[in-house]
Amino acid sequence: QSVLTQPPSVSAAPGQKVSISCSGSSSNIGGNFVSWYQQLPGTAPKLLIYDSNKRPSGIPDRFSGSKSGTSATLGITGLQTGDEADYYCGTWDSSLSARVFGGGTKLTVL
Amino acid sequence: QVQLQESGPGLVKPSQTLSLTCTVSGDSITSGSYYWSWIRQPAGKGLEWIGRIYPSGSTNYNPSLKSRVTISVDTSKDLFSLKLSSVTAADTAVYYCARELRYFDYWGQGTLVTVSS
Repeated sequence: QSVLTQPPSVSAAPGQKVSISCSGSSSNIGGNFVSWYQQLPGTAPKLLIYDSNKRPSGIPDRFSGSKSGTSATLGITGLQTGDEADYYCGTWDSSLSARVFGGGTKLTVL
Repeated sequence: QVQLQESGPGLVKPSQTLSLTCTVSGDSITSGSYYWSWIRQPAGKGLEWIGRIYPSGSTNYNPSLKSRVTISVDTSKDLFSLKLSSVTAADTAVYYCARELRYFDYWGQGTLVTVSS
């Protein structure tokens, strides 16, 4: 059971938009920055969003992040088949004094 | 460009200690305000943070693993290490090392460790 809650799967057609939610509590998302990671099959996770809404160099602006209260959202527009991957949210939990992740969301581009 | 590379045995017997090393290249392990972390992922499952170390030697561990985990650093060799004791089949996973600030920006490619007799 993950500390952060994500939907197991989402799907959308190429060119469409999708949102992936990440729900937590006041001890984690509510008081700390959120990051998002993309994991393509057989590869290490890759940083997509940091500090809740910032993109590292090289990440297209099709990817966006937001945070409100104890929840965060990853948005992806202009979906491409290459976006099919598992997506994870992560943050610091001040009560646990530990990094925590969501259980991951599998994105299918139909 | 920072690079991280995990190394260590791919097979460990139950009840023994799992030992992995992460070698950092492209920058010194002491540069910047970075922590150096271990994360694992059982096959078909999500990411689990194991713990982290600061170059000073200060550590934080996942409470669920704390009694079995030791992370150490060798700043002269730009590497850090993981020891996980009393392993069982549930510890079979791909183990990643990563650089951490408020997020994980650089990751190793991961190494599969199987616990089996």
